Amino acid sequence: DAGITQSPRYKITETGRQVTLMCHQTWSHSYMFWYRQDLGHGLRLIYYSAAADITDKGEVPDGYVVSRSKTENFPLTLESATRSQTSVYFCASSSRNHEQYFGPGTRLTVT
Amino acid sequence: KQEVTQIPAALSVPEGENLVLNCSFTDSAIYNLQWFRQDPGKGLTSLLLIQSSQREQTSGRLNASLDKSSGRSTLYIAASQPGDSATYLCAVEAGTALIFGKGTTLSVSS
Repeated sequence: DAGITQSPRYKITETGRQVTLMCHQTWSHSYMFWYRQDLGHGLRLIYYSAAADITDKGEVPDGYVVSRSKTENFPLTLESATRSQTSVYFCASSSRNHEQYFGPGTRLTVT
Repeated sequence: KQEVTQIPAALSVPEGENLVLNCSFTDSAIYNLQWFRQDPGKGLTSLLLIQSSQREQTSGRLNASLDKSSGRSTLYIAASQPGDSATYLCAVEAGTALIFGKGTTLSVSS
């Protein structure tokens, strides 16, 4: 089924571990985004990508790394997880008219 | 810096009532405005997209308006139903990414 998927849906990890969150879209959208959603802060942009091999920082990029070797995939890596990175992470992609479509989210807990 | 505000933060109405959700933004130089719905523990579902050159968009019982000059948008929900209970998020595109408000949580009682 076409759409945008994220994996894993739930993840518990320990402080200092590396974690990678996966995002896959089947629409061949050029733009893809990573947001985090926290109580009190709402949704904030971490990184985005305009095309394969083109990425740029958003509002809260520290502690995160992204790559985009293929148009359909946009993984987000936490190089050394911290408790402050406990959050719900959403991946999104946008169509030519800039309408953004969101994945189901990954709930990450760092202990 | 663009800021998006949604008032009220929460709203409770009886079934059948027509209601309006408000969204305001500080910088009128936006590309578009998008309304989303989010159910508890779920992702965001796009409801309506209004391009900066447009004044309103309609989808079923939903109507969204945009007044760039005053920095305001409204989402009108007609004949509300319990299934409309969710958090409604407004977001503006300034540059590439979306800037979100913190949402209005709507509860419709039967």
